[in-house]
Amino acid sequence: EADIYQTPRYLVIGTGKKITLECSQTMGHDKMYWYQQDPGMELHLIHYSYGVNSTEKGDLSSESTVSRIRTEHFPLTLESARPSHTSQYLCASSDRGRTYTFGSGTRLTVV
Amino acid sequence: AQSVTQPDIHITVSEGASLELRCNYSYGATPYLFWYVQSPGQGLQLLLKYFSGDTLVQGIKGFEAEFKRSQSSFNLRKPSVHWSDAAEYFCAVGGGNSGGYQKVTFGTGTKLQVIP
Repeated sequence: EADIYQTPRYLVIGTGKKITLECSQTMGHDKMYWYQQDPGMELHLIHYSYGVNSTEKGDLSSESTVSRIRTEHFPLTLESARPSHTSQYLCASSDRGRTYTFGSGTRLTVV
Repeated sequence: AQSVTQPDIHITVSEGASLELRCNYSYGATPYLFWYVQSPGQGLQLLLKYFSGDTLVQGIKGFEAEFKRSQSSFNLRKPSVHWSDAAEYFCAVGGGNSGGYQKVTFGTGTKLQVIP
């Protein structure tokens, strides 16, 4: 079944640690996105990619980085986690018609 | 710049009652419009979308939405709400290009509570 997978679902980590949030999709979509979601706030786009070796920063400034070495894989990395990074991170992919398929999200807590 | 407004942060309805969630958008041309639903701890799932054609759009789970260009609205409706519909609902608008990126903007969401 075509889908988009995010791991881990929940992560509690100490300040200063390096973390990578994984996102993989099996739909062959060229476009992939990372959103940050906080309670009561709109989804904020932090990174997007239109294909292999193509990555761009989104509307919301983020200290995270992304890579797109394979079409199906779009990991997000924080080199040094801080409490301000505590949030839910949603990965999505889309076809040409802008219809997004979302993963289940990673809820990150930095203590 | 495109934007989406969902004026109701929280709505409570009784099971079996009808539902209407409001969405207003701002976009310079004919927009692509979406409604997504998010259950607790989950990602967003597409309910329905409008690209062109018939302004009344049918979606999954018995939902429908109507595009009204004159009112810049895309309200979501359901004739009879079920307890399982309790979730957060996001309206989104897309269509603008920003350096090649086909921008989709999400609203802040409406949280639906269903009471017996």
